[in-house]
Amino acid sequence: DIQMTQSPSSLSASVGDRVTITCRASQSISRYLNWYQQKPGKAPKLLIYAASSLQSGVPSRFSGSGSGTDFTLTISSLQPEDFATYYCQQSYSTPHTFGQGTNLEIK
Amino acid sequence: QVQLVQSGAEVKKPGASVKVSCKASGYTFTGYYMYWVRQAPGQGLEWMGWINPNSGGTNYAQKFQGRVTMTRDTSISTAYMELSRLRSDDTAVYYCARDQGGRYSGSYSLSEGFDYWGQGTLVTVSS
Repeated sequence: DIQMTQSPSSLSASVGDRVTITCRASQSISRYLNWYQQKPGKAPKLLIYAASSLQSGVPSRFSGSGSGTDFTLTISSLQPEDFATYYCQQSYSTPHTFGQGTNLEIK
Repeated sequence: QVQLVQSGAEVKKPGASVKVSCKASGYTFTGYYMYWVRQAPGQGLEWMGWINPNSGGTNYAQKFQGRVTMTRDTSISTAYMELSRLRSDDTAVYYCARDQGGRYSGSYSLSEGFDYWGQGTLVTVSS
């Protein structure tokens, strides 16, 4: 199975900050990398697919980059509603494993 | 609008089975692969597998092979996930999720991400 490792596991930031979360795959996954946001008690929400494609309806402050084994999710200017847990997921090889999550908290 | 509506919470004893349903509406059910993902309390997301609603073909995570069965009823646009021989560590919220697009064959499953999710079904396994 492909292992997905996110860093950091948790992050404290303030409204207006620029934030970057990284995700590393244990082997190349081309650009089959997705990012999800999850709030407590809710289902995950797709933000970015295919490494850098913004899902419809998602604010443009979210962006993704990378290919191969190293990927990043960037939030250009944090808004109050962005405090949540973020997961990466590889969709290249089954099982389509998720990273362990990054908990983004208010500083 | 696209909706995935799951069945209600379940409490099961160890060794029992549970069957969770996921009713789709607002799109052509047979046109999109359906996935199942679970989340134990306070933990991350765990991929369980997918079903092709058109053919009924499935792909399960090795971890669940022999215990999980994914089926569908196209007449009522509903997917099902049954997990047998339940253990306490199967206590989790189970989600169905639609793959928004991808390429699939006998040798590969390339998803484009899960654009719609059910609301989740809490399955509690306790004696």
